[in-house]
Amino acid sequence: EDKVVQSPLSLVVHEGDTVTLNCSYEVTNFRSLLWYKQEKKAPTFLFMLTSSGIEKKSGRLSSILDKKELSSILNITATQTGDSAIYLCAVGGRRGTGANSKLTFGKGITLSVRP
Amino acid sequence: DAGITQSPRHKVTETGTPVTLRCHQTENHRYMYWYRQDPGHGLRLIHYSYGVKDTDKGEVSDGYSVSRSKTEDFLLTLESATSSQTSVYFCAISTAEETQYFGPGTRLLVL
Repeated sequence: EDKVVQSPLSLVVHEGDTVTLNCSYEVTNFRSLLWYKQEKKAPTFLFMLTSSGIEKKSGRLSSILDKKELSSILNITATQTGDSAIYLCAVGGRRGTGANSKLTFGKGITLSVRP
Repeated sequence: DAGITQSPRHKVTETGTPVTLRCHQTENHRYMYWYRQDPGHGLRLIHYSYGVKDTDKGEVSDGYSVSRSKTEDFLLTLESATSSQTSVYFCAISTAEETQYFGPGTRLLVL
């Protein structure tokens, strides 16, 4: 059974801090790892990682995949109150006839950024 | 916004009644998914579809059925709702690059 574990489960930081969110996985036929941000609504897509060691960056957010360690990190620099959300990690592995990657999600990391 | 809508957005129903949730997409994506999200469990896959009339089970499919008679619509049915099915339900589509995008969600309360 595929498994995705995120840590820490929650954290509180102050504006301006840098945070690192962790995701580790065990999955058959790994294809991709995705990060999502969820505020009080649907998850919104942040990054998709397929190759080890290649950093993806969007503004203050960046992420990298380590296939040897079966893990990924999401970094947020100079945090703002608007970064407060649940951050979800999901791993995709192909299964079954006609099946695109089915995603297995971690339980999420709740980030609170205080002014 | 991947052109996904869900209806209804909120529903309150009683135990034992049938409930159907609808997911509609406008961009002709082949793959569609139904998830439920519960505290402490994260997002869990209920059923998915890889084409018209082609569906398969996810990890929490008991008590749910799906149908896809048109590319744009993917229906989730609770044949006889139970309180354990109180949840937030998300529909998702998958692009050719295999990134999944989510609809706005449906909050279901089963009394």
